[in-house]
Amino acid sequence: QQPVQSPQAVILREGEDAVINCSSSKALYSVHWYRQKHGEAPVFLMILLKGGEQKGHEKISASFNEKKQQSSLYLTASQLSYSGTYFCGTEDTGRRALTFGSGTRLQVQP
Amino acid sequence: DAGVIQSPRHEVTEMGQEVTLRCKPISGHNSLFWYRQTMMRGLELLIYFNNNVPIDDSGMPEDRFSAKMPNASFSTLKIQPSEPRDSAVYFCASSAGTSGYNEQFFGPGTRLTVL
Repeated sequence: QQPVQSPQAVILREGEDAVINCSSSKALYSVHWYRQKHGEAPVFLMILLKGGEQKGHEKISASFNEKKQQSSLYLTASQLSYSGTYFCGTEDTGRRALTFGSGTRLQVQP
Repeated sequence: DAGVIQSPRHEVTEMGQEVTLRCKPISGHNSLFWYRQTMMRGLELLIYFNNNVPIDDSGMPEDRFSAKMPNASFSTLKIQPSEPRDSAVYFCASSAGTSGYNEQFFGPGTRLTVL
């Protein structure tokens, strides 16, 4: 079952902050975050693992609430280059493969 | 270092024709994933291989789709016969392992249009 992302779309001014949420109805082993620019392939941002371990870019932060099966991606002091569609991919304990959410379209304006 | 390589980048074909998409994963990666992306269904996993062995093909839509990985550096996704509803961007991705700890590196994708 596909994880649910919110919001579906957000528009920011440069320098503003944003939070993108991802929730699942299944017990999760990990949550991955990717960003995709129009016409390009998804690019890895962050992995959050059950137990608290994280792996990803220094300038991006995220959280993973294992009890609620929710993850949030925090984008601070946004830049124009942050524009794109953000996908969370969840790996549940039953199926060791990613299921991606429907995406959050982020647009950063000058 | 070369990333994941896919070919062709664009494919236009007519309904009923056979289509073969190709992927070369990053050297040293032992997991390979085929995804399909459409506006309606988003990014869907079709199949993934670990050490050239298919592990999960539950996402393959129907018998018209087949995938092979004859060696660690090459995989194909075949659609026979193709239908207009197969039109999508097909991504191949590879990673250094199957566990959730390993990020996936996506290829540039093949945009398939079936007329």
